[in-house]
Amino acid sequence: EAGVTQFPSHSVIEKGQTVTLRCDPISGHDNLYWYRRVMGKEIKFLLHFVKESKQDESGMPNNRFLAERTGGTYSTLKVQPAELEDSGVYFCASSRKTDTQYFGPGTRLTVL
Amino acid sequence: GNSVTQMEGPVTLSEEAFLTINCTYTATGYPSLFWYVQYPGEGLQLLLKATKADDKGSNKGFEATYRKETTSFHLEKGSVQVSDSAVYFCALIPYSGGYQKVTFGTGTKLQVIP
Repeated sequence: EAGVTQFPSHSVIEKGQTVTLRCDPISGHDNLYWYRRVMGKEIKFLLHFVKESKQDESGMPNNRFLAERTGGTYSTLKVQPAELEDSGVYFCASSRKTDTQYFGPGTRLTVL
Repeated sequence: GNSVTQMEGPVTLSEEAFLTINCTYTATGYPSLFWYVQYPGEGLQLLLKATKADDKGSNKGFEATYRKETTSFHLEKGSVQVSDSAVYFCALIPYSGGYQKVTFGTGTKLQVIP
C-alpha cells in the first residue's frame, strides 16, 4: 500500500508569489489533514477534510491560504500571496475514520 | 485546551546509552498518545501509540507507557544506535467521538554518536 505522498518536496519562492502544494492520501482514506511546522516550533494543525468537505479549518492562518479537495481524492494547499512567515514544512496526513493518522514526507517551503 | 510538553533538545548520547525523552500532556478526557519520529530527510513516521491508561506502546526497541496519574508518556530505549538519530515528537489526539486533530509537542532532536 502506497503511503501519503506530497509534491513538491521543496519549494523556494519570492515574497508575493503563489505556491500550490499537493497531497495524495492513502487510497481509501476519507480523512485528510494539513499541518505546518514553522521555524522548528511545534507542528500545528491547519485543516481537516472528510472526503471533499472541509470539517475544520480553524487552524488556517489567514485568507491567503486556500485548501481544496475536489472529488475527495488529492488535496491542494495554495498560498497567495506568500509572505516570509509562511516558510516552514507543510505536512499532510490521512486516516480512515478515527484511526491513526499517517503522514507524508512534507513540503519544505522557503519564502525569500 | 490540549497541549503537549516535551523536553527540549538536542539530546546527545553515545551508542548503547539509555534514552529517556520526557513528555507530559494536558487534555480533557482520555486522549490517545503517540510518538512520531522524523529521520533526516524523511517525513513523520508513527513510532508507537497507546490508547488508554497503563497501555504500553512499543516498536523498534522503544517503549512508552500511558500514565494518567502523572499525565505522562515518556519515551525510553535501553540501548540507542546511531541510526536512532532523529527528531522525536510526542503527540495526542483527544477523545472527541468524532474527527481527531493531532496536538504535537515541539520535538526533541536526538543525536547518537559512535
